Amino acid sequence: DAGVIQSPRHEVTEMGQEVTLRCKPISGHNSLFWYRQTMMRGLELLIYFNNNVPIDDSGMPEDRFSAKMPNASFSTLKIQPSEPRDSAVYFCASSLDPGGSLYNSPLHFGNGTRLTVT
Amino acid sequence: RKEVEQDPGPFNVPEGATVAFNCTYSNSASQSFFWYRQDCRKEPKLLMSVYSSGNEDGRFTAQLNRASQYISLLIRDSKLSDSATYLCVVEHGNKLVFGAGTILRVKS
Repeated sequence: DAGVIQSPRHEVTEMGQEVTLRCKPISGHNSLFWYRQTMMRGLELLIYFNNNVPIDDSGMPEDRFSAKMPNASFSTLKIQPSEPRDSAVYFCASSLDPGGSLYNSPLHFGNGTRLTVT
Repeated sequence: RKEVEQDPGPFNVPEGATVAFNCTYSNSASQSFFWYRQDCRKEPKLLMSVYSSGNEDGRFTAQLNRASQYISLLIRDSKLSDSATYLCVVEHGNKLVFGAGTILRVKS
């Protein structure tokens, strides 16, 4: 059974460039989450979707960040323009949300995308 | 104040030792609690949920104290393979908030 699939695994780009991160959730899961992890701030929730609809994007740092989920099997996180402080590991996670509580529906994380902006 | 606070460690313990991690959370309305484990340069994975009455899974015991807003994880008979970062996780409003993690190093 395939887990959450993220691409690319590594991305190195120059400041000012556009970066697009991709995620394929586990089939049948209807909640999708984008997290960012840094040494300084740990794991931070950026945005999450339920049934392809963005529910909470309060963690998105600024307008340079945008996320979409055009269908149940695909999501993107875009940074435009990128800055060195965006360097981090970006994780996508999915879960089967039975109706409001994550208690019995653990998050399954992808392998992450390690982004370096120079 | 951070929503979820943990001692970053590292905790360096010999094989076979018992080690305990603590975690405090700030939001009294939080409903569900978990421990996740993250190996170096890997993704976090669910270790165990934390039930109000406390729960055990093999060598791992989790406890919750709602009055003190405090969660703990006890690992008995530590193995080398237990070396990892342990993340305390609190659910609030259908979102999971992660602590920064506690590093455990088990040495032979």
